[in-house]
Amino acid sequence: QQQVKQSPQSLIVQKGGISIINCAYENTAFDYFPWYQQFPGKGPALLIAIRPDVSEKKEGRFTISFNKSAKQFSLHIMDSQPGDSATYFCAATAYSGAGSYQLTFGKGTKLSVIP
Amino acid sequence: DTGVSQDPRHKITKRGQNVTFRCDPISEHNRLYWYRQTLGQGPEFLTYFQNEAQLEKSRLLSDRFSAERPKGSFSTLEIQRTEQGDSAMYLCASTSKEDTQYFGPGTRLTVL
Repeated sequence: QQQVKQSPQSLIVQKGGISIINCAYENTAFDYFPWYQQFPGKGPALLIAIRPDVSEKKEGRFTISFNKSAKQFSLHIMDSQPGDSATYFCAATAYSGAGSYQLTFGKGTKLSVIP
Repeated sequence: DTGVSQDPRHKITKRGQNVTFRCDPISEHNRLYWYRQTLGQGPEFLTYFQNEAQLEKSRLLSDRFSAERPKGSFSTLEIQRTEQGDSAMYLCASTSKEDTQYFGPGTRLTVL
């Protein structure tokens, strides 16, 4: 059972445009929602994260919008650049009860920003 | 700035062989996670260490897999009798808090 659903699977955006990636979750115990950026052959790098007590968080060109009642959150990349071309993963975490705060990831969105 | 490091970066092995991967976390981080990522998928949790104690293991971690973190510093992940289905990227992440996890570059395993 996939606990975090991510869409779209792939996205093509023109340089300067807005990239939007959406995620939905089922587990209401999730209390931390990070987004990771991954380039081919590299490990995921933390981009931005949010907790459910706020509805929006902005860091530079990256914004997370969070809708707790709908159990949805999204990543907006403003003024998208070719260097943003990568795979983006949404994730969620909650205390497992056994000691960890393991991350549950979506399946990823491959973003291509074309000049 | 020394991040999480993993060694080797790539490993090619024949089916049935044993392999061992190493992860060196960020020095002050006492929490360490292992994840596995297959092509086109997000990482999936394998196991968790707090200091030297292995506190949680995923059902994905079959009996052929074993992980250690002696002295609460670096960690090793061993796969015995490798199978083709073990081919994946093995990622290590560390943190000093409950939330933000920092990932290493991963070890890409190919089982022939």
